[in-house]
Amino acid sequence: AQSVTQPDIHITVSEGASLELRCNYSYGATPYLFWYVQSPGQGLQLLLKYFSGDTLVQGIKGFEAEFKRSQSSFNLRKPSVHWSDAAEYFCAVGSYNFNKFYFGSGTKLNVKP
Amino acid sequence: DGGITQSPKYLFRKEGQNVTLSCEQNLNHDAMYWYRQDPGQGLRLIYYSQIVNDFQKGDIAEGYSVSREKKESFPLTVTSAQKNPTAFYLCASMNGGSTDTQYFGPGTRLTVL
Repeated sequence: AQSVTQPDIHITVSEGASLELRCNYSYGATPYLFWYVQSPGQGLQLLLKYFSGDTLVQGIKGFEAEFKRSQSSFNLRKPSVHWSDAAEYFCAVGSYNFNKFYFGSGTKLNVKP
Repeated sequence: DGGITQSPKYLFRKEGQNVTLSCEQNLNHDAMYWYRQDPGQGLRLIYYSQIVNDFQKGDIAEGYSVSREKKESFPLTVTSAQKNPTAFYLCASMNGGSTDTQYFGPGTRLTVL
């Protein structure tokens, strides 16, 4: 069965520090992978996506993610975090056969000044 | 200005009442989705529709109903059969192409009194 695991519920980093949010997926075929960000009480905004090709993908707001098939992972990274990055981040895998998407439980990022 | 609108932003319901959440999109997308979001559980799929007059149950469809009479509209009714309806509800749409992604509305927070 398809599933997405985000092992870190909360993460706190200092402003200017680097960030890595972990995501592991379980999917039987080639996965379509996504990272979204959500501010409190708002909808989700797409940060980046991976469908095929280069396993290192660049997104908006300076984020990037690397697809590692051998580890079934799609971790999100940012070299220098800004206070405005504080939000909740969701990893998702898409199933195009059935046009469905499976989301992880999210990681809340807190940024210390 | 293209996008997805959800109304109302906040909704209060008494136990035993049905309530309908609105979702409208002017992106000309074929597919539309309803998700439920609870703290610490990420997004769970309630219903989805790939074309007008057709829709499929997601993972947690019990106690919910939908219709898709127009391409741009996908209302969700939370019925009295839904045992724990207090949650944040998100609507999304997608063009349905092989490299497309979901776009999300701002959400409706439903509280049962």
